[in-house]
Amino acid sequence: IAGITQAPTSQILAAGRRMTLRCTQDMRHNAMYWYRQDLGLGLRLIHYSNTAGTTGKGEVPDGYSVSRANTDDFPLTLASAVPSQTSVYFCASSKGGMNTEAFFGQGTRLTVV
Amino acid sequence: RKEVEQDPGPFNVPEGATVAFNCTYSNSASQSFFWYRQDCRKEPKLLMSVYSSGNEDGRFTAQLNRASQYISLLIRDSKLSDSATYLCVVSPYTGGFKTIFGAGTRLFVKA
Repeated sequence: IAGITQAPTSQILAAGRRMTLRCTQDMRHNAMYWYRQDLGLGLRLIHYSNTAGTTGKGEVPDGYSVSRANTDDFPLTLASAVPSQTSVYFCASSKGGMNTEAFFGQGTRLTVV
Repeated sequence: RKEVEQDPGPFNVPEGATVAFNCTYSNSASQSFFWYRQDCRKEPKLLMSVYSSGNEDGRFTAQLNRASQYISLLIRDSKLSDSATYLCVVSPYTGGFKTIFGAGTRLFVKA
């Protein structure tokens, strides 16, 4: 089934640890995004990628890094996790820019303790 | 002031009711507008795009008012299955990636 897959679905992480959230899509979409969703704040863009080999910063990039080595994969790394990074993380993709429909992964629930 | 603001609700309505949500945006240069639906603990999914001329899809109608900088979503003949959070989405410029999501409006439809 075509779509976008995230892993893990949930994780409890000790503060200070490094963590990579994985995201893979098989729709050959050019653009990919990482959002975090917190109660009352909605979805906030962390990083995005227009196409393989390029990335950009979103609204809340601090503490996160991404890479886009190929079209399908867009991992998000927390170099040294802090409790304020406890959130639900969604990866999304679209054919080109957010003016076209965005498809979201099922989310990763991350708790930093 | 937030760039995109929505009434968080919750809206509690009986089946068959008509309910409307508004969403205001602060950037007058915004070009593209959408409504997404998010079920509890699930990912958001596109409900409909919002065009300048309005957009209707079955029981759902979306409208844009550029002068007052708001978009609206009208749901007629509400069903139990319409219970969800509705997210207003605004793109500040054509092709832009920093699309802004509202915090969402929760709707509960009861029998």
